[in-house]
Amino acid sequence: SQTIHQWPATLVQPVGSPLSLECTVEGTSNPNLYWYRQAAGRGLQLLFYSVGIGQISSEVPQNLSASRPQDRQFILSSKKLLLSDSGFYLCAWTRTPAYEQYFGPGTRLTVT
Amino acid sequence: LAKTTQPISMDSYEGQEVNITCSHNNIATNDYITWYQQFPSQGPRFIIQGYKTKVTNEVASLFIPADRKSSTLSLPRVSLSDTAVYYCLVAADTGRRALTFGSGTRLQVQP
Repeated sequence: SQTIHQWPATLVQPVGSPLSLECTVEGTSNPNLYWYRQAAGRGLQLLFYSVGIGQISSEVPQNLSASRPQDRQFILSSKKLLLSDSGFYLCAWTRTPAYEQYFGPGTRLTVT
Repeated sequence: LAKTTQPISMDSYEGQEVNITCSHNNIATNDYITWYQQFPSQGPRFIIQGYKTKVTNEVASLFIPADRKSSTLSLPRVSLSDTAVYYCLVAADTGRRALTFGSGTRLQVQP
């Protein structure tokens, strides 16, 4: 069976500090991978998606970046966090050809 | 991606059937309709997906009229544990397959 992991589960970082969130998928190969962000009480905003190693597409211009160094690993980074980067970050993957997306447990980031 | 409109919130009682309707007037020919459920501090969870007519699984039913401009998620005999936010999404099963989540419908089930 497939599983998706995210860490850390919670993170409190000061403004201007760097960020690295990691997502890994087990039990599947060549998945499409996604990073979403959810502000409190709001819907999900797609940040990045990747269809393969080294292939990253950005949906929203911001101070965040993403990388996919391995087939089942997706990393979200920032060099300098802003207060507006606070939120609930979710990683997800899809299994071809089905359209169903599977979400990880999420990382709650608080920038202070 | 087709835009969807659904009620912001709904209230129900345990044991009742709940119907949440979503409108998607500009749905495209190759778009599917998918519903997700999200509990606080968790990622959304797939509930059901359909293209036309009726789809039923062990959790819910999805009704889609012939013009496909709306859809209704039906939850039979809800319980307190069904309290969650429900999202309606419309998108094609091609390309990047990224999902656009709106604000969803917040369902509150009372005892």
